[in-house]
Amino acid sequence: AQKITQTQPGMFVQEKEAVTLDCTYDTSDPSYGLFWYKQPSSGEMIFLIYQGSYDQQNATEGRYSLNFQKARKSANLVISASQLGDSAMYFCAMREGRNTGFQKLVFGTGTRLLVSP
Amino acid sequence: EAGVAQSPRYKIIEKRQSVAFWCNPISGHATLYWYQQILGQGPKLLIQFQNNGVVDDSQLPKDRFSAERLKGVDSTLKIQPAKLEDSAVYLCASSLGVIGELFFGEGSRLTVL
Repeated sequence: AQKITQTQPGMFVQEKEAVTLDCTYDTSDPSYGLFWYKQPSSGEMIFLIYQGSYDQQNATEGRYSLNFQKARKSANLVISASQLGDSAMYFCAMREGRNTGFQKLVFGTGTRLLVSP
Repeated sequence: EAGVAQSPRYKIIEKRQSVAFWCNPISGHATLYWYQQILGQGPKLLIQFQNNGVVDDSQLPKDRFSAERLKGVDSTLKIQPAKLEDSAVYLCASSLGVIGELFFGEGSRLTVL
């Protein structure tokens, strides 16, 4: 069964607008973490934001926020005020299990975001 | 702080040949990961080390892939013999420990002809 589902292969947004990238997950573990990574054309995976399953508030990091809806098992990434440099692949990932050093990230298939001037 | 270093960045080989990739994690990071990313897909974990011990290698095709992390620092991933379907980017990542993100290298792109 797919653990992480990203249903949007591609998204388009105009510069300065906000965009939401969807992510749903599947786990029976009460303790898990959700991550978003950005992968520009250079190939490196860049960490954006993290949400723990027990966190009461939605995570925010600058222009990035995570819309965490636990009951719906969704963890959508919201990018406010899009910039041309935001054009990249975006991956949602989940870590299961207790907070140990043995964390294992499972990734979704990604969403390609294109920001136009 | 230096990031995760990987080499080579690009490699082209013919099927049935062998190839090795090297990774040097961020200093002090105990956990090291090798991921395989096939074009159009998300990264898939191949193997995970905690210091120099293997934590998870359940998705490593052990008949052709091997990895080691001697002395708990840098790591080598080897493929022998390579198949066409091994064409992918091999990403190395490291993490400090219990909570937090993985830091990735730029990856090694393998093309098998």
